[in-house]
Amino acid sequence: ETGVTQTPRHLVMGMTNKKSLKCEQHLGHNAMYWYKQSAKKPLELMFVYNFKEQTENNSVPSRFSPECPNSSHLFLHLHTLQPEDSALYLCASSQVGSGSALNTEAFFGQGTRLTVV
Amino acid sequence: DAKTTQPTSMDCAEGRAANLPCNHSTISGNEYVYWYRQIHSQGPQYIIHGLKNNETNEMASLIITEDRKSSTLILPHATLRDTAVYYCIVRVCTNAGKSTFGDGTTLTVKP
Repeated sequence: ETGVTQTPRHLVMGMTNKKSLKCEQHLGHNAMYWYKQSAKKPLELMFVYNFKEQTENNSVPSRFSPECPNSSHLFLHLHTLQPEDSALYLCASSQVGSGSALNTEAFFGQGTRLTVV
Repeated sequence: DAKTTQPTSMDCAEGRAANLPCNHSTISGNEYVYWYRQIHSQGPQYIIHGLKNNETNEMASLIITEDRKSSTLILPHATLRDTAVYYCIVRVCTNAGKSTFGDGTTLTVKP
């Protein structure tokens, strides 16, 4: 248990469906992140949120829409996905801005395994 | 983030020390060395990080060379549950979740 919970753990969706991935962190962190890990590929950073504001979008297609209603919750809304979007989607959180290297590590959830059919 | 180079794979006998190397010759003065591992199909797990001094915690030890161009993660008594992909990341300490993960080293601990 890392303090970062992702639901669902597994999701199968059709290309015309709309679904959402949820992430919740219980660590009091002020930054949250979405990563994508396709088969046999390194983790790719998708979005960064600091203090609920999106500070980075790494050229992610608009069919992925993040939402951060508060510093503890992060969503990834999915619509009209393609089969190549099938991957493990990972959420992470960390504390930023302390000016110290202490407690600066990121904590990851267990991920949502997404299959687009 | 500075670029890192790690071996693709390594084997280790159960109960022995696992020494995982990482080269980061372009590391900047304010960049730290972070290590994470990812057990199959799970989220990455933080292991340890350091700037220039050697560090030790309950999971591992981190040895950083004096010129900081390379480091070694040491798992003192590897178990089968340590089989995972190990990532060496070099970055500043702020915004630690914004990391560049490479291919890492696949460590296989064998009985």
